[in-house]
Amino acid sequence: GENVEQHPSTLSVQEGDSAVIKCTYSDSASNYFPWYKQELGKGPQLIIDIRSNVGEKKDQRIAVTLNKTAKHFSLHITETQPEDSAVYFCAPYSGAGSYQLTFGKGTKLSVIP
Amino acid sequence: GAGVSQSPSNKVTEKGKDVELRCDPISGHTALYWYRQSLGQGLEFLIYFQGNSAPDKSGLPSDRFSAERTGGSVSTLTIQRTQQEDSAVYLCASSLEISSTDTQYFGPGTRLTVL
Repeated sequence: GENVEQHPSTLSVQEGDSAVIKCTYSDSASNYFPWYKQELGKGPQLIIDIRSNVGEKKDQRIAVTLNKTAKHFSLHITETQPEDSAVYFCAPYSGAGSYQLTFGKGTKLSVIP
Repeated sequence: GAGVSQSPSNKVTEKGKDVELRCDPISGHTALYWYRQSLGQGLEFLIYFQGNSAPDKSGLPSDRFSAERTGGSVSTLTIQRTQQEDSAVYLCASSLEISSTDTQYFGPGTRLTVL
């Protein structure tokens, strides 16, 4: 099965600074790479995803980059705001023939005003 | 449009009792998934449905856990003879189709506490 590692586990940044979270995976057959944001008491919310035919995708202040050779993908948040404070999860599919997401352990991001 | 809904939002039960958790997927989504989120184990996959059938039950932690889906829509996760280690948030997700590239959308979860 897929092994997923996510770093760092906690991240504190000043408002306006950038935040980067990295996710490594083991299954070379994986071809879909989402990032979810989870606020306290809520379910995970998809914020951005990338498929293996592209290397980077941007949506306003959020971007995801993918390196399939090295088997890692990263979440980039620029101009952070207090409302970005949450737990972020990477969750690649477990590869060909499997339809379950394998979640990383999560990164707790705190944006300090 | 409406997202994935789950009920109840919170459930407190006594050890040994049975519980039923309900999930209402996004309209038109053929695939439905159950996950569990606990402090010790993080977010872990339980089972998925394509239509009414469940080809992959590998994530169910024991035979006390079962799930069904009727009419290709609502799903129920049943836990029999609950144990304290079953305490967790149970999350449901749905996607348009079964695919290794389809986005899964999550509901708010049901927080289960077994006393």
